[in-house]
Formats: sequence, C-alpha cells, structure tokens
Amino acid sequence: GNSVTQMEGPVTLSEEAFLTINCTYTATGYPSLFWYVQYPGEGLQLLLKATKADDKGSNKGFEATYRKETTSFHLEKGSVQVSDSAVYFCARTPFSGGYNKLIFGAGTRLAVHP
Amino acid sequence: DVKVTQSSRYLVKRTGEKVFLECVQDMDHENMFWYRQDPGLGLRLIYFSYDVKMKEKGDIPEGYSVSREKKERFSLILESASTNQTSMYLCASSVTGQGSNEQFFGPGTRLTVL
Repeated sequence: GNSVTQMEGPVTLSEEAFLTINCTYTATGYPSLFWYVQYPGEGLQLLLKATKADDKGSNKGFEATYRKETTSFHLEKGSVQVSDSAVYFCARTPFSGGYNKLIFGAGTRLAVHP
Repeated sequence: DVKVTQSSRYLVKRTGEKVFLECVQDMDHENMFWYRQDPGLGLRLIYFSYDVKMKEKGDIPEGYSVSREKKERFSLILESASTNQTSMYLCASSVTGQGSNEQFFGPGTRLTVL
C-alpha cells in the first residue's frame, strides 16, 4: 500500500535536547520522502526531502536519511530550540497515480520548553 | 515566493448550510488539493484537480464537491454542512513534473459547524 507511520506525540523536550521523530513507510515502489512542519496557526511548509535511497535531506539543523533497508526516514536535530515547537508530518509519494499527490502520516507534535 | 491564500481563517456555519471555501495560488501551478486535518488522523485528501475543470476524488470525498473554473482558484463546497465536517481545511498546490511532488500550502480554514 501507500502508508506512512509516525511515532505518536506529543514529544516534549527541553531546549538543546536531541530530537528524533520516527517515520516508516510501506515498501512499495521507490517513493520520494518528505518532512513538512506546521507552526501554530499556519499551514504546512516543506522542511526537507529525499528522492532516492541513501539521500540525506537537511534544513534548519534538521536531517533525515532515506533508508531503504529499514523503510525509514527518521527526522533528527542535534539541539532543539523553543521555536522548533510545531507539528511535524512525514509524507511519501504514492506507489501509483501521480498528479503530484502525497500521502501524509498522522503528524507528531513537538513541544520544546526553555 | 509561492503564495497560497484561503478566503477565511475561521468560519462558523449552521448545520444544513451550503459552505464555500476558496483557495487561490499565484504560481501558475497545474495541481491543486483540498485536505482536511483532524487530530490523530493527519491530512486526508478530499479532492484534487490537475487542470482547469478537471477534478478527481481523494480518499474522503463524501459530502464535498469542488470547482475549478480558473487555473489559480480551487473551491471546496459543502453542499449541506454537518457537524462531522467541523475540521481544519487546508488547500495546497503543486507544479506538474519536477519529480519531487512538493506541495505548497495555504494557512488553513478552521470550520466549525454548529
């Protein structure tokens, strides 16, 4: 199928802590993978992406590596800030039926405290 | 910058009313999407359009219809609003091709149906 599974939130961390948000996808086809972020009161915006196995996407200190062997695309950041508090969505392209559709995970809320 | 705008940030309607949600994008994108976002369910695709006057059902089209008379505008219509349609509605657009499927989102409309 075409599914994306994220770890349930909320994830609560102190400032400067290490962040991991897990994301796994169903191993159908060769999807492109994405992380989107939704700050409070806003729509989603692309955080990073990877289009093939072993690619690493990175942006704003966040990183995620496309791991085909474990069908994972975990989001990491070495030192979170209060301003990183948001909801994070993992997404993949579908196995078939293009039109630039995306399949989203349920989202993981991150709360960072000073 | 790509800009996707939605006609209202907050909307309150009564059961049975006909509701129009408007979305406009300024980047000449071929594809436009309507999602609803509910806690724990992530984003679910309602309808999408890959060209003017063209539309395809997404995963949860029941109770909704759409209209795309101009390339830049994609309208979501609730023919007879019901309380279970209380949700956050997100519009997105993307360009065909480029291989990455990146979507650009509007800020969302929080609809409450009483």
